[in-house]
Amino acid sequence: EAQVTQNPRYLITVTGKKLTVTCSQNMNHEYMSWYRQDPGLGLRQIYYSMNVEVTDKGDVPEGYKVSRKEKRNFPLILESPSPNQTSLYFCASSSDPGSNQPQHFGDGTRLSIL
Amino acid sequence: AQKITQTQPGMFVQEKEAVTLDCTYDTSDQSYGLFWYKQPSSGEMIFLIYQGSYDEQNATEGRYSLNFQKARKSTNLVISASQLGDSAMYFCAIASSGTYKYIFGTGTRLKVLA
Repeated sequence: EAQVTQNPRYLITVTGKKLTVTCSQNMNHEYMSWYRQDPGLGLRQIYYSMNVEVTDKGDVPEGYKVSRKEKRNFPLILESPSPNQTSLYFCASSSDPGSNQPQHFGDGTRLSIL
Repeated sequence: AQKITQTQPGMFVQEKEAVTLDCTYDTSDQSYGLFWYKQPSSGEMIFLIYQGSYDEQNATEGRYSLNFQKARKSTNLVISASQLGDSAMYFCAIASSGTYKYIFGTGTRLKVLA
């Protein structure tokens, strides 16, 4: 089954404790992306990657890091999480962004930073 | 910079009636794609329909259709014969073919009444 898998689905942690949210896709997509969703703000793009070792900033990259060492994986790293990073996070992938190929989304990761 | 505006935070529609969700955008790019996604209360993001900037025909997918007015920079989603399962949050998004950045609107919450 074609899918984007995020882990964990839920995480409660404390300020300053480094965490990683993993994202993996099995569709051989070149494009992958991370979003955060906050009430009233919709989805905002954090980082995206057009291929292995190619990443670029979205609209809200501050406080986040990503890496794309393999095509299928695109982890999101919070080196020193803060309460304002409490949010719902989505990973997505696409074969050809900007064309008629839509993004496929993971089920989301709800992150709470205390 | 690209921008998406969804001016209707919430809407109600009677079951079996049609409803139009508004979306306007701003971009200086000539080549771009417009997407609509549905997010039910369970949280997943479901792709509905796509319109390319060079498409001359309005996109249709089953009960979903777009009223694409390029000169006015609007791409309104029309849902015909609304069903209770259509109750969800709906997001409009734009992706530039050049930068591959995605911008989402703040969403419209639709409630279908029995």
